[in-house]
Amino acid sequence: EDKVVQSPLSLVVHEGDTVTLNCSYEVTNFRSLLWYKQEKKAPTFLFMLTSSGIEKKSGRLSSILDKKELSSILNITATQTGDSAIYLCASPLLSNFGNEKLTFGTGTRLTIIP
Amino acid sequence: DSGVTQTPKHLITATGQRVTLRCSPRSGDLSVYWYQQSLDQGLQFLIQYYNGEERAKGNILERFSAQQFPDLHSELNLSSLELGDSALYFCASSVGGGVSYNEQFFGPGTRLTVL
Repeated sequence: EDKVVQSPLSLVVHEGDTVTLNCSYEVTNFRSLLWYKQEKKAPTFLFMLTSSGIEKKSGRLSSILDKKELSSILNITATQTGDSAIYLCASPLLSNFGNEKLTFGTGTRLTIIP
Repeated sequence: DSGVTQTPKHLITATGQRVTLRCSPRSGDLSVYWYQQSLDQGLQFLIQYYNGEERAKGNILERFSAQQFPDLHSELNLSSLELGDSALYFCASSVGGGVSYNEQFFGPGTRLTVL
């Protein structure tokens, strides 16, 4: 069964630390993997990784796709309290109706302690 | 602010009732997606419309229906509401109709409470 699995479920670190969040996927006919940050309400788009774009970086955040290990990591360096959020990864999977749907992992809740 | 708007922000209703949630996509986006997020189920895809036509379906209950209007705004109708329908309902939009290479931008959500 196709699925997206994230680890750890929860992570608590001190401000200034570097964190690595993991996302593994089992996807038939993999096309892309997306990372979102969800604070109080709506998920906000961070990165999209594909077979032709396996590494993305934006400021202190970066993400890499490992096609051999079927996984992706999201790195955050020099963490700040504003990085506290739930981080979601997602990949398009085939639904029972034969069409693609964006399927999300359960998320990693990151808490940054001042 | 993603540019996707949703109304209302909060909705409290009783079991057995019917409600309508509304979404306006970002300017220029043709696809609208509906998601349900509950504590035990995470973020679950319900249905997608592209330029007025149903494009993809998730595990949407038969009591739920949606449509996309000519001005591209969308409505999600939930009927015969049950306690378990209490959740945060998100709308997202994207430019294209395919899921694989189109990032989706989420609205602020509607929190539905069924008493």
